[in-house]
Amino acid sequence: DTAVSQTPKYLVTQMGNDKSIKCEQNLGHDTMYWYKQDSKKFLKIMFSYNNKELIINETVPNRFSPKSPDKAHLNLHINSLELGDSAVYFCASSPLPPYQAGRNEQFFGPGTRLTVL
Amino acid sequence: AQRVTQPEKLLSVFKGAPVELKCNYSYSGSPELFWYVQYSRQRLQLLLRHISRESIKGFTADLNKGETSFHLKKPFAQEEDSAMYYCALSNQAGTALIFGKGTTLSVSS
Repeated sequence: DTAVSQTPKYLVTQMGNDKSIKCEQNLGHDTMYWYKQDSKKFLKIMFSYNNKELIINETVPNRFSPKSPDKAHLNLHINSLELGDSAVYFCASSPLPPYQAGRNEQFFGPGTRLTVL
Repeated sequence: AQRVTQPEKLLSVFKGAPVELKCNYSYSGSPELFWYVQYSRQRLQLLLRHISRESIKGFTADLNKGETSFHLKKPFAQEEDSAMYYCALSNQAGTALIFGKGTTLSVSS
């Protein structure tokens, strides 16, 4: 299947732990993203990578560190987890750049539900 | 500032009733707007984009630059339309989507 996949689907962990979420896309896209969906279902961009280079870093605590080993993968590592990190994290990809109108459709992964106890 | 506003958190309608989910945006350039849908415990998926002027699953949305709106409409709601709907705006660089807070549509029989 051509898609954006994420692992794990669910992640339950204790406060203070370090965890990683993996994302892979086989769509041949140049750009990948991480979004956070909070308990109120508000969806907000965290990071955006293009060809392994960071292009957007919204005011995210530096406990969150994205890593892109190649343009098909964008992993999210979180240090010293806090209760407020509990959320659903969505990975997405899009065929940027070069940016062209109508090409900025983003394809989303299934999400990783992180619960910090 | 770029912003997307969805004023309704929840919209409840009966099956067969018309639906309009409101979306207003704030943007200084030429906007590119989308509607995404998230069914219960599923991934977010693109429903439609203004540039395509298409109708998907009976939904349409017209970009009104004068009113800075991109409302989503369907003449006859179905129960399977129940989901969370997000209006989204592409930022100026085209490097991220700015989402509204979402509207939950509940269609009951």
